[in-house]
Amino acid sequence: DADVTQTPRNRITKTGKRIMLECSQTKGHDRMYWYRQDPGLGLRLIYYSFDVKDINKGEISDGYSVSRQAQAKFSLSLESAIPNQTALYFCATSEPDRGVGEQFFGPGTRLTVL
Amino acid sequence: RKEVEQDPGPFNVPEGATVAFNCTYSNSASQSFFWYRQDCRKEPKLLMSVYSSGNEDGRFTAQLNRASQYISLLIRDSKLSDSATYLCVSSGGSYIPTFGRGTSLIVHP
Repeated sequence: DADVTQTPRNRITKTGKRIMLECSQTKGHDRMYWYRQDPGLGLRLIYYSFDVKDINKGEISDGYSVSRQAQAKFSLSLESAIPNQTALYFCATSEPDRGVGEQFFGPGTRLTVL
Repeated sequence: RKEVEQDPGPFNVPEGATVAFNCTYSNSASQSFFWYRQDCRKEPKLLMSVYSSGNEDGRFTAQLNRASQYISLLIRDSKLSDSATYLCVSSGGSYIPTFGRGTSLIVHP
């Protein structure tokens, strides 16, 4: 079984809809991250969390919110989806005693906003 | 200026060739460096860490040059299966990593 899972894997929605992307991990890591990837722009950090009660904005948090329901779960919400949020979204985890760049990624969610 | 910069490529090389990628970083406080491999439409996967003393894993060698603020990845005896995008990552004084945009490698027969 995969250590980091994401649901859904693909989603097509319409402008203005509220969307939630979910991430679960069995690695026991405290740190979790949400990224989006766009062609030519690489991975950009949306939000990250170092513990259940810790939420931090990343490089591009506008239009997004997150919830850390438990150590193993970190959800990303788009309150009112817009077309330029069409992208590939990745969740990742890391351990605090390893280099912060050593991350484990989920398989990604491909989101299309029409 | 992006904190981590990579030549996007693509690098198009024949099987068996040696290819090298560089990645420059602007934050002199960066302490940890990594190379990831990403196949098309798949998640990035850690390839190797980059240590000050260099790091070798089979056909792959990673090096760090702090004076010039770049890291490199050398692939010897390229295989068709090495075709992918290679992402470099640095992390500075903050607790979050910065990814480069990736370098595309195409290995052809």
